Amino acid sequence: SQQGEEDPQALSIQEGENATMNCSYKTSINNLQWYRQNSGRGLVHLILIRSNEREKHSGRLRVTLDTSKKSSSLLITASRAADTASYFCATVEMNRDDKIIFGKGTRLHILP
Amino acid sequence: DSGVTQTPKHLITATGQRVTLRCSPRSGDLSVYWYQQSLDQGLQFLIQYYNGEERAKGNILERFSAQQFPDLHSELNLSSLELGDSALYFCASSPGRGRPYNEQFFGPGTRLTVL
Repeated sequence: SQQGEEDPQALSIQEGENATMNCSYKTSINNLQWYRQNSGRGLVHLILIRSNEREKHSGRLRVTLDTSKKSSSLLITASRAADTASYFCATVEMNRDDKIIFGKGTRLHILP
Repeated sequence: DSGVTQTPKHLITATGQRVTLRCSPRSGDLSVYWYQQSLDQGLQFLIQYYNGEERAKGNILERFSAQQFPDLHSELNLSSLELGDSALYFCASSPGRGRPYNEQFFGPGTRLTVL
């Protein structure tokens, strides 16, 4: 079953605008991670937020985590053409298997 | 460059065949993960190895198997291939003690096409 579900599935914005993507999950987690994937390439880790953290920043990225709502958001400020990619959230469940589960991703397209 | 290498980059084969995908993790990483990415199923976790031992299992078919060798490289074996097995197969590695609590470093992937 899918743990992380990103929303929206696809997003197109003008260069310079902010982009917000959301991720919802179903079970208790140890941490939540965001990854970026350029077309046909491997995923690149962006940021990890632990279950006891509420907000984290890395450069133009801001991630929030609301464990009561089982949701997270990724904000990219002042978007650039190079930000065009798919963005995935991944959750590590708090269970015996400790499996990491990826969502289906948000396809972000930055318009020039 | 993540430091994770995968070979081959592309693989074209026929239904019913068997193939082996190879992965070398980053230097020092003991965990290796295998994923399948297809358009309709998204990125699916298949299996994880830690220091030679199977650590976690995801949606891996019985026709698929993997192993991690003493030098920590890993191989994913896919047999009795079907058209639906056509996908990108990624390997990732991470440090730590076998639990996926840390970031993962992904290889460039192997694109498998089954005709």
